[in-house]
Amino acid sequence: LAKTTQPISMDSYEGQEVNITCSHNNIATNDYITWYQQFPSQGPRFIIQGYKTKVTNEVASLFIPADRKSSTLSLPRVSLSDTAVYYCLVGPTQTGANNLFFGTGTRLTVIP
Amino acid sequence: DTGVSQDPRHKITKRGQNVTFRCDPISEHNRLYWYRQTLGQGPEFLTYFQNEAQLEKSRLLSDRFSAERPKGSFSTLEIQRTEQGDSAMYLCASSFDRGANYEQYFGPGTRLTVT
Repeated sequence: LAKTTQPISMDSYEGQEVNITCSHNNIATNDYITWYQQFPSQGPRFIIQGYKTKVTNEVASLFIPADRKSSTLSLPRVSLSDTAVYYCLVGPTQTGANNLFFGTGTRLTVIP
Repeated sequence: DTGVSQDPRHKITKRGQNVTFRCDPISEHNRLYWYRQTLGQGPEFLTYFQNEAQLEKSRLLSDRFSAERPKGSFSTLEIQRTEQGDSAMYLCASSFDRGANYEQYFGPGTRLTVT
């Protein structure tokens, strides 16, 4: 599993766009990039997954440059309820690679 | 069935006692995972089942830990002779047996405190 590096923490004001960047220099050809969100006293929740370029869903966007050595999770117009820890995970999705490696994540605090 | 459930949500036990946790996955999911999470850290993988078969175990899973999924539905995680270092949140997750292995659905966790 490729190692990832993320900022330990970030602060943002309500209504702003937040971008959290994850470095994964050793990403393999068959690796996908996945982000999870975790609120206090809850299990992590899948947010978004991508392989290259841009992926967007109702919650977030994921930007992946051509070399795939990094990725950026973008949260549009954050609210107080977006305060959580965000984890970047990198690994293959095909059968045989079934455990997730979370690391320490990025603690996002949204300020009123 | 709205999600993964875990029971109990909290458990306080004295060192040396045995504890057992239960996880009920999303009904149509045939994969089930156990993770452990300590304060300030991300979840760490412990073990994984496909149906009733335990296919993978982490080195974190000492001999005092045992997990079962007898009928391929709910699972139990037992810790024998608990130690203070076992204090953590124990998370269960489940997923479909297809495609995106990285899309796992987590339960709320069981917080264990060993005194």
